Amino acid sequence: GDSVTQMEGPVTLSEEAFLTINCTYTATGYPSLFWYVQYPGEGLQLLLKATKADDKGSNKGFEATYRKETTSFHLEKGSVQVSDSAVYFCALSEKSGGYNKLIFGAGTRLAVHP
Amino acid sequence: EAGVAQSPRYKIIEKRQSVAFWCNPISGHATLYWYQQILGQGPKLLIQFQNNGVVDDSQLPKDRFSAERLKGVDSTLKIQPAKLEDSAVYLCASTIRDRGGASSEQYFGPGTRLTVT
Repeated sequence: GDSVTQMEGPVTLSEEAFLTINCTYTATGYPSLFWYVQYPGEGLQLLLKATKADDKGSNKGFEATYRKETTSFHLEKGSVQVSDSAVYFCALSEKSGGYNKLIFGAGTRLAVHP
Repeated sequence: EAGVAQSPRYKIIEKRQSVAFWCNPISGHATLYWYQQILGQGPKLLIQFQNNGVVDDSQLPKDRFSAERLKGVDSTLKIQPAKLEDSAVYLCASTIRDRGGASSEQYFGPGTRLTVT
């Protein structure tokens, strides 16, 4: 079946540093790709998404590009803030019985220090 | 717009006891999901409803887990009897309607953290 692999955390950065969180996927077909974020004590929130190859999703300074040739969807941000500290999940949407099903990676915890 | 509501937020039970979790999705959302998130892992889909019908329960351990959405609105997930390995966060999510096309955004509740001792 389809799967998502993302880099292990925790990732610890100083404020204003550049962030990359790697995500690769295995899928039959052409899934949509997502990044969800989970802040402490809260539910998952959609951060950004891309639905086809070469699409770039962006939100709140975060970006990720759907790379079909490398089956990747790496998350980047040019300058992180303390408020970006959270757990980030990469996910793909798999078709199952005519419906969409999200497959998540294990998550990467980001800690940003002042 | 109110988000996805879940209760309780925390529950501690002993193994072999039973427990139930409740979810109220965003108003008008036809599709509802229950996920299990074990510590250090990503959420895993347990069951998906479209209105009051089950469309995917392939990963639901049906010998001990059950779920219902009788009126196509709120939903209950039950575990009976619980095992130690059921300790996890149980997340509920909803989306407007899954028509099988491009996947639409799922909105998640805060989750219920279950500890089985």
